[in-house]
Amino acid sequence: QKEVEQDPGPLSVPEGAIVSLNCTYSNSAFQYFMWYRQYSRKGPELLMYTYSSGNKEDGRFTAQVDKSSKYISLFIRDSQPSDSATYLCAMRGLTGTASKLTFGTGTRLQVTL
Amino acid sequence: NAGVTQTPKFQVLKTGQSMTLQCAQDMNHNSMYWYRQDPGMGLRLIYYSASEGTTDKGEVPNGYNVSRLNKREFSLRLESAAPSQTSVYFCASSEIYSSYSGNTIYFGEGSWLTVV
Repeated sequence: QKEVEQDPGPLSVPEGAIVSLNCTYSNSAFQYFMWYRQYSRKGPELLMYTYSSGNKEDGRFTAQVDKSSKYISLFIRDSQPSDSATYLCAMRGLTGTASKLTFGTGTRLQVTL
Repeated sequence: NAGVTQTPKFQVLKTGQSMTLQCAQDMNHNSMYWYRQDPGMGLRLIYYSASEGTTDKGEVPNGYNVSRLNKREFSLRLESAAPSQTSVYFCASSEIYSSYSGNTIYFGEGSWLTVV
């Protein structure tokens, strides 16, 4: 079983929709949670970063962490065609093997006009 | 503002050939990384260099070697390429190698390598 599970999609939504992207994980030592966006033929870029549990909002994007359920989410409001990309979750702990940044496999999102 | 630059962008190799992927960053970062990305596997760390003068194995180091040439440059070498090394390779850098901060990792645009 992978430490981080992420539905690969593809997820297709109409413009303006609310998108929910999710990851589950098994390592309770993970403390830092990140979402990366990767456009086709490009490298990943950091979108959101949260520490421990709770919500963090940045414009149309909201990152949510539920450590009790080992579940993280990224919500995109008023989705735009420019949001079409692959979204990777990533997480790490403080020490030992958990300090290695572990990525999900990515969810491909397509926002249609 | 180049960030992380890696070359070449595309390469086709024959089994057994060797090649070096070059990477340079202009952000004065201490730590650099090489990842490979494969369908269904996500990003996997091959090697990293926490600081100039040090290198360490990551999750999938077999078949690769690295050199931290200086603070800016970190190269990845395939000594005898195998079809299993067909992948997209990403170089990345961060200010420090630490879990005690957000420690943003910045990625290059990738190198597409095919071994036939």
